[in-house]
Amino acid sequence: QKEVEQNSGPLSVPEGAIASLNCTYSDRGSQSFFWYRQYSGKSPELIMSIYSNGDKEDGRFTAQLNKASQYVSLLIRDSQPSDSATYLCAAYTGGFKTIFGAGTRLFVKA
Amino acid sequence: NAGVMQNPRHLVRRRGQEARLRCSPMKGHSHVYWYRQLPEEGLKFMVYLQKENIIDESGMPKERFSAEFPKEGPSILRIQQVVRGDSAAYFCASSPDGTNTEAFFGQGTRLTVV
Repeated sequence: QKEVEQNSGPLSVPEGAIASLNCTYSDRGSQSFFWYRQYSGKSPELIMSIYSNGDKEDGRFTAQLNKASQYVSLLIRDSQPSDSATYLCAAYTGGFKTIFGAGTRLFVKA
Repeated sequence: NAGVMQNPRHLVRRRGQEARLRCSPMKGHSHVYWYRQLPEEGLKFMVYLQKENIIDESGMPKERFSAEFPKEGPSILRIQQVVRGDSAAYFCASSPDGTNTEAFFGQGTRLTVV
C-alpha cells in the first residue's frame, strides 16, 4: 500500500515565525511531490511542486526533498495568520495516481 | 483553480436516491481525477479518467459508484442508492496529461445524505 504520511497537527506558530511541515512517503519510485493548501470548506490549492533532491524556493515558501530518506518538507517563513490552513503533501507514484497525505493543520497566532 | 468547474456545489439527497456530480476540466486538459474527502480527513483517490476511458478506478467502491468522461460534455460521478456514509466533499481535478503534472482542483461538491 503506497502511503504518504503527515503529522495531523495542529501545528501552532506565532506570527512572523517559521512553520515547518513534514511528510514521508513509502514508495521509493515516487517521482514528483506537491504541497497543497486547503482552507476550511475550500478546495486544495497547489502552492509548491518539487521533483529533484534539494531545496526549491518560491517567495516565503521553501520545499525540501530528500529521496534517500523519502522525506519532503515545506517551510513557511514569516508566517502570517492568513497562512492558517491545512497543508496536504502529495506524491505522484506513477501509474497515473497521486497519493495525498491526510494533511497538517497549521495555526498562525497573531 | 477556477478553471475546473464542478456542479452542483452542494447536493442534498435522501437515502436511497441517486447523486450525480459533474466536472468540467480546465481547457486543454483531458485527464480527470475524482477524490473524496471526509470531514477532517485527507483526500482519497477514487478514479482517474481520460476521454471515454477509465484508466484507474482502484479507489472507487465496487458497488453503487460509477464514473464516466464522455467524448463530449463533463465527467460524471454517479452514486446510486446513497447512504449516510457517502456524505463527503467530492473533488475533481484535471491535468493536461497523466504524468508528472500538477493537478488543479475544482471547488468540490459537498454531498449530504439525509
